[in-house]
Amino acid sequence: QKEVEQDPGPLSVPEGAIVSLNCTYSNSAFQYFMWYRQYSRKGPELLMYTYSSGNKEDGRFTAQVDKSSKYISLFIRDSQPSDSATYLCAMSAGTGANNLFFGTGTRLTVIP
Amino acid sequence: KAGVTQTPRYLIKTRGQQVTLSCSPISGHRSVSWYQQTPGQGLQFLFEYFSETQRNKGNFPGRFSGRQFSNSRSEMNVSTLELGDSALYLCASRTGITYNEQFFGPGTRLTVL
Repeated sequence: QKEVEQDPGPLSVPEGAIVSLNCTYSNSAFQYFMWYRQYSRKGPELLMYTYSSGNKEDGRFTAQVDKSSKYISLFIRDSQPSDSATYLCAMSAGTGANNLFFGTGTRLTVIP
Repeated sequence: KAGVTQTPRYLIKTRGQQVTLSCSPISGHRSVSWYQQTPGQGLQFLFEYFSETQRNKGNFPGRFSGRQFSNSRSEMNVSTLELGDSALYLCASRTGITYNEQFFGPGTRLTVL
């Protein structure tokens, strides 16, 4: 079983829709949770960073962590064509790079 | 401030050859990590260097190696290339131990024929 599971999609939505992206995990020790956005031919870019549980909002993006269900989500409000990218979740129990586990990514297309 | 740079951006090699990839971190960042990204496996951790010392290593064979120089630039080497080594190789730099200031380079796309 993988440490982190993420639905690969692809996911297509019309412009303006609310997008929900999700990851599940198995390691209850995970306490650092991240969402990255990766455009084609680019490296991942950190979107959201959360420590422990709860919600975090940044503009149109909201990250949620539910440690009891081992489930994290990223919501994108008023989605734009520029949001079309692959979204990766990542999480870690500690700060060592060898402890950082990524999902395989969900490919999102926002249709104008 | 300049971002993380990786060279070359694209490489085509044949089986059995060896390859060296280079990563220049953001100025002031002393930690450089390397990842392999493939469609099926996602990002997998290769190794991390901090102040010229390998701090962590992932579960890859010994054909994969790396080093870091005194200016924090890092190289990774893959010897005796196999078809399965075809992937996007990403490096990421950060100042110390937190992930909220980890930045990725654009990657080197390696194709092994």
